[in-house]
Amino acid sequence: GENVEQHPSTLSVQEGDSAVIKCTYSDSASNYFPWYKQELGKRPQLIIDIRSNVGEKKDQRIAVTLNKTAKHFSLHITETQPEDSAVYFCAADVGSARQLTFGSGTQLTVLP
Amino acid sequence: ETGVTQTPRHLVMGMTNKKSLKCEQHLGHNAMYWYKQSAKKPLELMFVYNFKEQTENNSVPSRFSPECPNSSHLFLHLHTLQPEDSALYLCASSQGDGNQPQHFGDGTRLSIL
Repeated sequence: GENVEQHPSTLSVQEGDSAVIKCTYSDSASNYFPWYKQELGKRPQLIIDIRSNVGEKKDQRIAVTLNKTAKHFSLHITETQPEDSAVYFCAADVGSARQLTFGSGTQLTVLP
Repeated sequence: ETGVTQTPRHLVMGMTNKKSLKCEQHLGHNAMYWYKQSAKKPLELMFVYNFKEQTENNSVPSRFSPECPNSSHLFLHLHTLQPEDSALYLCASSQGDGNQPQHFGDGTRLSIL
């Protein structure tokens, strides 16, 4: 079936550095690509999303880029802070029903 | 944010018990979802309801039985579960189908003895 691959599974960065998480998808009809942040013991929360008609979207320290030709999209976090530590999930709408399929998650740790 | 509320937050049950998980959304959305979240695995979509009608059933075993009496409420009835069913069960809602932002509840942490 259609899937979404996410890398890396864990990522440690020093406070103030940038973090990049990458996802690839297989369904060429995918059109919607959200990113969720899940802190320990809490619900996944949407932090940014992008649709296939744009290549990049930015919201303060967070940006997402999309390469439809290569079928991959990435989350970029600049000037990381300890409160950015969490699990981040990418997702894409796939299949005939256009339902979200999630990546396996990236545990980001920002070291003070 | 209390847009999507799930109860109970924690549930411990034996394999022969029957219990139900409840989800309520106050966002005016028309679609509701059940996901299973296990350690080190992606979120797994279980069921989708759109305007109270089930539109997706991702090959979920019959020991999980969903119910959607209206667009604001969603239940997951549990019966004769297995230890491997222990996980966090998340409810979500959206306005429209899968290519719209989904809002999640806090989940029910389920442990099967």
